[in-house]
Amino acid sequence: AQSVTQPDIHITVSEGASLELRCNYSYGATPYLFWYVQSPGQGLQLLLKYFSGDTLVQGIKGFEAEFKRSQSSFNLRKPSVHWSDAAEYFCAVGVNTGTASKLTFGTGTRLQVTL
Amino acid sequence: GAVVSQHPSWVICKSGTSVKIECRSLDFQATTMFWYRQFPKQSLMLMATSNEGSKATYEQGVEKDKFLINHASLTLSTLTVTSAHPEDSSFYICSARRQGGSRGYTFGSGTRLTVV
Repeated sequence: AQSVTQPDIHITVSEGASLELRCNYSYGATPYLFWYVQSPGQGLQLLLKYFSGDTLVQGIKGFEAEFKRSQSSFNLRKPSVHWSDAAEYFCAVGVNTGTASKLTFGTGTRLQVTL
Repeated sequence: GAVVSQHPSWVICKSGTSVKIECRSLDFQATTMFWYRQFPKQSLMLMATSNEGSKATYEQGVEKDKFLINHASLTLSTLTVTSAHPEDSSFYICSARRQGGSRGYTFGSGTRLTVV
């Protein structure tokens, strides 16, 4: 079965500093990979997704992620963090089950930004 | 485009009563909708997958008689928590997958259910 690991439960960075959130997945075939952001008490907003092609994916709000098949990773990066980026970030892998595709989420990484 | 509306955003109900949560795709047709449950400071756990016009597929450990899912049209899915108990209190989120091949998923804003 597929699984997603986000090793960092909580990360704190200073505003303006660079950010990298780690995500490792386990899946037998080429995965569909996603990064979502969730503000407190809100739903999820898609930051970016990888289906195929270029392994460096650009997303909204200045985020990017790189798919590395050899490392089974899909780390999220941002060169300069803004205070408004403080939120919970979820990595997810999408798999086809035959009748539908469904997402499996990692446990999330809470980002705190200090001024 | 690709907006999913979830209603209500929060609800408080008495133990033993039933609560219905609606998930609507506003500007696209969703052949498949998903219902998740999220406990505080935890990840999203898939409860069930619903396809329009057919019975929902429930994940292991999810009581289908307690969490009734109806997907009667391409734009509406409902989750009814029957005979709710305090342990059912949680954050419920729906998502919808666009008909026509896109592999993207759009999420609703979630419903905070508190059973007292």
